Amino acid sequence: GAGVSQSPSNKVTEKGKDVELRCDPISGHTALYWYRQSLGQGLEFLIYFQGNSAPDKSGLPSDRFSAERTGGSVSTLTIQRTQQEDSAVYLCASSSRGGNTEAFFGQGTRLTVV
Amino acid sequence: AQSVTQLDSQVPVFEEAPVELRCNYSSSVSVYLFWYVQYPNQGLQLLLKYLSGSTLVKGINGFEAEFNKSQTSFHLRKPSVHISDTAEYFCAVRQGGSEKLVFGKGTKLTVNP
Repeated sequence: GAGVSQSPSNKVTEKGKDVELRCDPISGHTALYWYRQSLGQGLEFLIYFQGNSAPDKSGLPSDRFSAERTGGSVSTLTIQRTQQEDSAVYLCASSSRGGNTEAFFGQGTRLTVV
Repeated sequence: AQSVTQLDSQVPVFEEAPVELRCNYSSSVSVYLFWYVQYPNQGLQLLLKYLSGSTLVKGINGFEAEFNKSQTSFHLRKPSVHISDTAEYFCAVRQGGSEKLVFGKGTKLTVNP
């Protein structure tokens, strides 16, 4: 597709359930980022994939959070045993190789844990 | 590690007034600098970027930013704002040699009539 695609756009889940959020980056983009945007908290970095290198997981808030990127393209962010504080908008972005390139963002997945 | 500071979390201004949104980054090593804008209920989009050359960068919607290496700053400015500029603005930095993009916490600009 032309842009970064995220699904679902909205997700309501019960506390304690697992959720999977999907990101389809722009074709050919080697870098993929996940961010979390909570009300009043700005953009919180979660994880960064670059090509075949080991991902930078330094932003994952707990071991309930994990992400993978299959075949260097589609990425899935998984949150296990969801808590109410996980409620936020989860944003995915991708960029092509090179430090001077911009990142393109998806519309995000709004996760609500009830 | 690179970090980005946006000192003002919220900036209220009146329509047609000038505005400056501040951004400072931690490292003076070669950097690429970006400003993104997020309009209400929309995704982030690029406003402008500094890669090299002229330190004054012009972006969309009449915004501009100035790269100041000695002060490690990249402040965003607009001489006269409109109601439609109400949005959240994010500064981002990528350090030369690294491809990881680091964002500030954002500044919420509210333009009042």
